[in-house]
Amino acid sequence: AQSVTQLDSQVPVFEEAPVELRCNYSSSVSVYLFWYVQYPNQGLQLLLKYLSGSTLVKGINGFEAEFNKSQTSFHLRKPSVHISDTAEYFCAVSASGFQKLVFGTGTRLLVSP
Amino acid sequence: GAGVSQSPSNKVTEKGKDVELRCDPISGHTALYWYRQSLGQGLEFLIYFQGNSAPDKSGLPSDRFSAERTGGSVSTLTIQRTQQEDSAVYLCASSPAGGNTGELFFGEGSRLTVL
Repeated sequence: AQSVTQLDSQVPVFEEAPVELRCNYSSSVSVYLFWYVQYPNQGLQLLLKYLSGSTLVKGINGFEAEFNKSQTSFHLRKPSVHISDTAEYFCAVSASGFQKLVFGTGTRLLVSP
Repeated sequence: GAGVSQSPSNKVTEKGKDVELRCDPISGHTALYWYRQSLGQGLEFLIYFQGNSAPDKSGLPSDRFSAERTGGSVSTLTIQRTQQEDSAVYLCASSPAGGNTGELFFGEGSRLTVL
């Protein structure tokens, strides 16, 4: 079975500062990895995904994440955040070949002026 | 609309009552999921339908919870004899056939409050 750990429940940051949201996963098989974002009062939407190939993946709104197999991590980064990035971010894992996603508990990113 | 549609968006009920939550997936999507989102708990998998295969019910928390999917499209999640701990946002998602890319398309959820 797969599992996901998001150690930071909340990350406060000032506008234009860089941010990293941490995600670690556990799986005995190859995985697909995802970051979803939930803006206030909206549904979840896909931010980016890793399926195979380059370990650095780029998503919408300037976010990127790096798959590190040896550290079983898939941390999300953005070099300069905006107020509009305030949202809840969920990391998720799926065993390759299956569609069932297992989500982490989420990290709330709070961007202030 | 082109997205996943859920109804009702909000439901307030009394403890012990039954509730039904509806999900209308994106047309053509064969996979349908129900998740529960509770404060501080993240997204909890409940049940997964894929085409005509038997559903994966491994996430249903008790036998008070059940779900069905009629005609491979609309799904209904039923909670019998609701308890206060059932209060949460119930999210439905769908995914297109094949590909195994795991990308889910979520609805905006049904917020259930059990008094």
